[in-house]
Amino acid sequence: GEEVAQTPKHLVRGEGQKAKLYCAPIKGHSYVFWYQQVLKNEFKFLISFQNENVFDETGMPKERFSAKCLPNSPCSLEIQATKLEDSAVYFCASSQTGWTDQETQYFGPGTRLLVL
Amino acid sequence: RKEVEQDPGPFNVPEGATVAFNCTYSNSASQSFFWYRQDCRKEPKLLMSVYSSGNEDGRFTAQLNRASQYISLLIRDSKLSDSATYLCVVKAAGNKLTFGGGTRVLVKP
Repeated sequence: GEEVAQTPKHLVRGEGQKAKLYCAPIKGHSYVFWYQQVLKNEFKFLISFQNENVFDETGMPKERFSAKCLPNSPCSLEIQATKLEDSAVYFCASSQTGWTDQETQYFGPGTRLLVL
Repeated sequence: RKEVEQDPGPFNVPEGATVAFNCTYSNSASQSFFWYRQDCRKEPKLLMSVYSSGNEDGRFTAQLNRASQYISLLIRDSKLSDSATYLCVVKAAGNKLTFGGGTRVLVKP
């Protein structure tokens, strides 16, 4: 598609429940990125993929977060046993090649996760 | 210290006025610089890339000072629709983006 698509738009989970978020990058884009935006506009990089391969996972919390990008499927970000501090907006972004300095990353509309 | 720092504002700007604000970055290896705009916690949208020589896009002018490690954005002839949070974004080696906390601009009639 022409835009990054993210589902669901909103997700409410009780503490300890699992949350799974999906992202479809722009068609033809090889790189997918996940960012977390908590209150006060703090963005945090989580993980990036080059096609189905993990490219950079330096921002991923080791224990409860996992992500995949499988061929012919939307990418996914899964949080096992959610905690209150996981409440945030999760943005997915994609870029065509990922290597050009000024290359733009295009963002999806985000998934708003609320953990109660 | 945060990698990218911005004055959170808000900058209250009369319609038609000029407003300018900066951001500073700590990683001297940073290679690419951008201003993104975010409305009401919707997705960030690229406003403009920032080039070493400075660049202009309509009413928006961006400057980069590598020696002092700061980036600026100037908005001329402010419109009500310019009200938003402006995110300073930096890319170092690799391709992940590092965001500042955003500068909120409110343009008032």
